Amino acid sequence: QSALTQPPSASGSPGQSVTISCTGSSSDVGGYNYVSWYQQHPGKAPKLIIYEVSKRPSGVPDRFSGSKSGNTASLTVSGLQAEDEADYYCSSYAGSNNLVFGGGTKLTVL
Amino acid sequence: EVQLLESGGGLVQPGGSLRLSCAASGFIFSSYAMNWVRQAPGKGLEWVSVIGSSGDKTYYADSVKGRFTISRDNSKSTLYLQMNSLRAEDTAVYYCAKRHSSSWYYSDSWGQGMLVTVSS
Repeated sequence: QSALTQPPSASGSPGQSVTISCTGSSSDVGGYNYVSWYQQHPGKAPKLIIYEVSKRPSGVPDRFSGSKSGNTASLTVSGLQAEDEADYYCSSYAGSNNLVFGGGTKLTVL
Repeated sequence: EVQLLESGGGLVQPGGSLRLSCAASGFIFSSYAMNWVRQAPGKGLEWVSVIGSSGDKTYYADSVKGRFTISRDNSKSTLYLQMNSLRAEDTAVYYCAKRHSSSWYYSDSWGQGMLVTVSS
C-alpha cells in the first residue's frame, strides 16, 4: 500500500486555473475508476469534492473538476478564489479492500 | 444534518491500548458503512479501517491489521476503534467518516477528529 504521489505544492493567482496531479500504478489509480479528491483547510476535517474520478457531490462548485489518464489522476481548480487555498488529497481504491491516499498538495492562492 | 463526534483519545504509552468512539446522528446509521482515517501531525491522510453497515464485514490497512479492531453498535449509532499494541507511529488525529452513497471508497461526512498520542 504505497501512497499515491502528489506534488507538495501548487499555486495560482485569483481567477487562474491550477491542476494538481496524483500518480499511482496499475494496481490503484490505473486499475480502477475509484479516484476521489478531498479538500482540507487548516485544523478542519477533509471535505469530499470529487468522487469516481470526475463526479462532484452536491454543493461543490463546478470550478472543481477531475480526470484520469492511465496511472495519473488530476484535479483542476478553475477561477481560483481565495477560499480555495487549502490542502488537497487524492485517494484511490487499491484492490483487496484497501484504500490509498496521496501525500497531499498545499494549494496557495497568490 | 449529519454529525459525527469522536471521543476517547489522549496520551497512551507504547504497547498500551485505547478505544475510540464515534457517536453519529442526523442519518440512518445502520444503513451506512463507516471508515476510520488518520492523519499524523503535519502529514497526509491514511485510511485505517472500514466496517459494513451491519458489522459483518471489516477490513484493515496492513499497518494496523492484527492490532486494531473496528466495531459498531447500531442500537447506539456508535462506531468504535479498539487500538492495542500501540506504537509511536500510531500518533495521529483519528477521524470517523460516513461512506458516500456511491461507495465506501468515498467519505462524505467526517467527524472533527480525535488526537491519539503514543509516547512514554
